Amino acid sequence: DGGITQSPKYLFRKEGQNVTLSCEQNLNHDAMYWYRQDPGQGLRLIYYSQIVNDFQKGDIAEGYSVSREKKESFPLTVTSAQKNPTAFYLCASTISRTGTASDSPLHFGNGTRLTVT
Amino acid sequence: GQSLEQPSEVTAVEGAIVQINCTYQTSGFYGLSWYQQHDGGAPTFLSYNALDGLEETGRFSSFLSRSDSYGYLLLQELQMKDSASYFCAVKAAGNKLTFGGGTRVLVKP
Repeated sequence: DGGITQSPKYLFRKEGQNVTLSCEQNLNHDAMYWYRQDPGQGLRLIYYSQIVNDFQKGDIAEGYSVSREKKESFPLTVTSAQKNPTAFYLCASTISRTGTASDSPLHFGNGTRLTVT
Repeated sequence: GQSLEQPSEVTAVEGAIVQINCTYQTSGFYGLSWYQQHDGGAPTFLSYNALDGLEETGRFSSFLSRSDSYGYLLLQELQMKDSASYFCAVKAAGNKLTFGGGTRVLVKP
């Protein structure tokens, strides 16, 4: 079955440590996204990538970094520069379409809940 | 940049109809999507409007007015399982997808 896998489901880290969240998809999607969700809040875009070896900053990129070396993988590193990293992180992917008449929906992974103390 | 406004919470009884409004400000607008998220789960896609008008999918319908930068999601014949958060999302140039803050819908018996 095709889908998006995020691992691990729960992650605990000490303050000052960098941590990398994994996101793998076997849907053959071109575009991949990282969102952050805080309790009772919406999804805020961290980074997104339309093709391999290319990515763009979203609305809250500070303190995060990404890479897109393979089509299937889009890991997110939460660096020690991120002031408040504890959150629920969601990875998503979609077929990259630029037309307006139709849309390819985002497929989300089950998320990683990161706690930094 | 993009910004979206939607109500934070709506409460209704089973069988009722609920309308969730979404107003947006964006440059390079392509379309408006709606997603549902149950507590602790991942968002799932409900609908997408690129053109003005109403799109109907079963009990859920979505409407868009591009001139008013406004859309809504209509939930009909509410069921207990519809208790969830609902997000509108704007698709802009470069496939950038920005979400609103979400509307928590609570369905009571």
